[in-house]
Amino acid sequence: DAKTTQPPSMDCAEGRAANLPCNHSTISGNEYVYWYRQIHSQGPQYIIHGLKNNETNEMASLIITEDRKSSTLILPHATLRDTAVYYCIVRVVTSGSRLTFGEGTQLTVNP
Amino acid sequence: DAGVTQSPTHLIKTRGQHVTLRCSPISGHKSVSWYQQVLGQGPQFIFQYYEKEERGRGNFPDRFSARQFPNYSSELNVNALLLGDSALYLCASSPGLAGVLETQYFGPGTRLLVL
Repeated sequence: DAKTTQPPSMDCAEGRAANLPCNHSTISGNEYVYWYRQIHSQGPQYIIHGLKNNETNEMASLIITEDRKSSTLILPHATLRDTAVYYCIVRVVTSGSRLTFGEGTQLTVNP
Repeated sequence: DAGVTQSPTHLIKTRGQHVTLRCSPISGHKSVSWYQQVLGQGPQFIFQYYEKEERGRGNFPDRFSARQFPNYSSELNVNALLLGDSALYLCASSPGLAGVLETQYFGPGTRLLVL
């Protein structure tokens, strides 16, 4: 699976959009981009995934650049409960359940 | 509906001992995966079991083993515990083999401390 690079930490004001970047410059054509988050002392929670088109669900939006070398997770109106470590994962179709987590980005939403 | 459950929530062992951790997947899910999360790091894949067969294994020593039962629950066993085995052990379940279009659901984890 391709390696990902994320900033170690970010801050965001409550109510504002949180934009979390991820670099995956070695991504292959059959690899998807996944985002999970882990709130302190809990198990990781799935957020969203995409291949090449932008995706949106009730939690977030995922913007993937045209060359697929980077992506941005957008939380449109961050709340204090969004404070968590966010993991960007690149996953090949045939990798079964294996998720290769990096160190993620610690997002702190401030009041 | 109940999510993924794990037991115990916390455990303290001493070096050289053996430990068994348990996981019950979401009802209807046939795949269970195990991850180890050392403090300050992301989770690391240990095993995947589907229909009672091992379908994937991470880079962990043979001291780590697992099995899945007919009701799809699973156990993770670790023998000859080392201090470095201290971690949060996470279980995740999915309906099938967790291909790209399947979401994995994680349990709250078991926190193991080895003294």
